[in-house]
Amino acid sequence: KAGVTQTPRYLIKTRGQQVTLSCSPISGHRSVSWYQQTPGQGLQFLFEYFSETQRNKGNFPGRFSGRQFSNSRSEMNVSTLELGDSALYLCASSLGVDNQPQHFGDGTRLSIL
Amino acid sequence: AQTVTQSQPEMSVQEAETVTLSCTYDTSENNYYLFWYKQPPSRQMILVIRQEAYKQQNATENRFSVNFQKAAKSFSLKISDSQLGDTAMYFCAFMKRTGNQFYFGTGTSLTVIP
Repeated sequence: KAGVTQTPRYLIKTRGQQVTLSCSPISGHRSVSWYQQTPGQGLQFLFEYFSETQRNKGNFPGRFSGRQFSNSRSEMNVSTLELGDSALYLCASSLGVDNQPQHFGDGTRLSIL
Repeated sequence: AQTVTQSQPEMSVQEAETVTLSCTYDTSENNYYLFWYKQPPSRQMILVIRQEAYKQQNATENRFSVNFQKAAKSFSLKISDSQLGDTAMYFCAFMKRTGNQFYFGTGTSLTVIP
């Protein structure tokens, strides 16, 4: 069974641009969650999507948005990029039933110049 | 609000020795789950062990075991017979009984010395 796939693995952008990251969950998983990992703030929850609906949201500005498609693949979009958005973005997938094991991808390393 | 604290930013252990990583948390929830995740340089978060708060028995997974003290809100990870492949960042995480959101600690960087 294929694991969680995140693309691209690395991304370099400049301030003011926008970016879209992709996450393909494990087959059969309907929940996708996104986390931002930085040295200063650690791992912080962005949002969770389940069956194409945002089910939970962390404390991030509206520049951070996401969506989920009917095949459970999810995308995360960040607009008007700031230097502080440089981070490792991880996604995790699960069946979506409470507290089922979550499986993480390898992450997308986003660098803002 | 839920908070998770890992007070040891870095630790090291000799190969084959035992090491304990500390984690404390704060919550008003009564039913919840606690986790230890490992993140090697490859970046992927790997589940090490999971504890259900309503279970008094401490979870074990091969060389990994936890000491769960619910009243003290403490959840430490013991790694026995440390191996070079255990070198990684270790994150303690909390999850409410309902929902899929992790609350992570800041991590402990563990180095196993040959």
